[in-house]
Amino acid sequence: ILNVEQSPQSLHVQEGDSTNFTCSFPSSNFYALHWYRWETAKSPEALFVMTLNGDEKKKGRISATLNTKEGYSYLYIKGSQPEDSATYLCASHVDSNYQLIWGAGTKLIIKP
Amino acid sequence: GAVVSQHPSRVICKSGTSVKIECRSLDFQATTMFWYRQFPKQSLMLMATSNEGSKATYEQGVEKDKFLINHASLTLSTLTVTSAHPEDSSFYICSARVVGTSGGADTQYFGPGTRLTVL
Repeated sequence: ILNVEQSPQSLHVQEGDSTNFTCSFPSSNFYALHWYRWETAKSPEALFVMTLNGDEKKKGRISATLNTKEGYSYLYIKGSQPEDSATYLCASHVDSNYQLIWGAGTKLIIKP
Repeated sequence: GAVVSQHPSRVICKSGTSVKIECRSLDFQATTMFWYRQFPKQSLMLMATSNEGSKATYEQGVEKDKFLINHASLTLSTLTVTSAHPEDSSFYICSARVVGTSGGADTQYFGPGTRLTVL
């Protein structure tokens, strides 16, 4: 059974502070790791897809790192803003099977 | 680009009725779409993979006669919850697969989901 775990389950962060959270995934037969942002009442939005060990991706104030050998990825948000409030999901691709295995998400709430 | 719509966004129905949910890729063609179900505070659970022009592939434990999937065109997949009961109340969300370029990984683009409540 393959599991993707995300921690913490929820997170309250003061506006302007930086934060990060974790996605743990099975390292065997790794193919790709996806991060999505899901705002309430909207569609999940693809943030990053990462495939290489040591890879780092950046999109504005959001960045992600990947360690495929130990099976984890970090998502960082620098200088949190209210619009960053959302649930952040990660999902693992195993082999080249196009199905994704999802974590339960980290719900981020930015306090003004 | 890569916009997926889903309708309805919310539906309330009586027990025993059937409900159809539509998933459309608006600006691209999708040979493969996915249907997920989400329970509160849990992961997205893949129900089935919908393939254009062929039968859907259902995950273990998902009743194919209960959740009918039709993918008749490259831009539309439908999920019909037949003879719905209160235990079918849930959040259903679809996604469309976009094949990775240059051998890269695929990406899924999601609809906004449908909240089904069965009374």
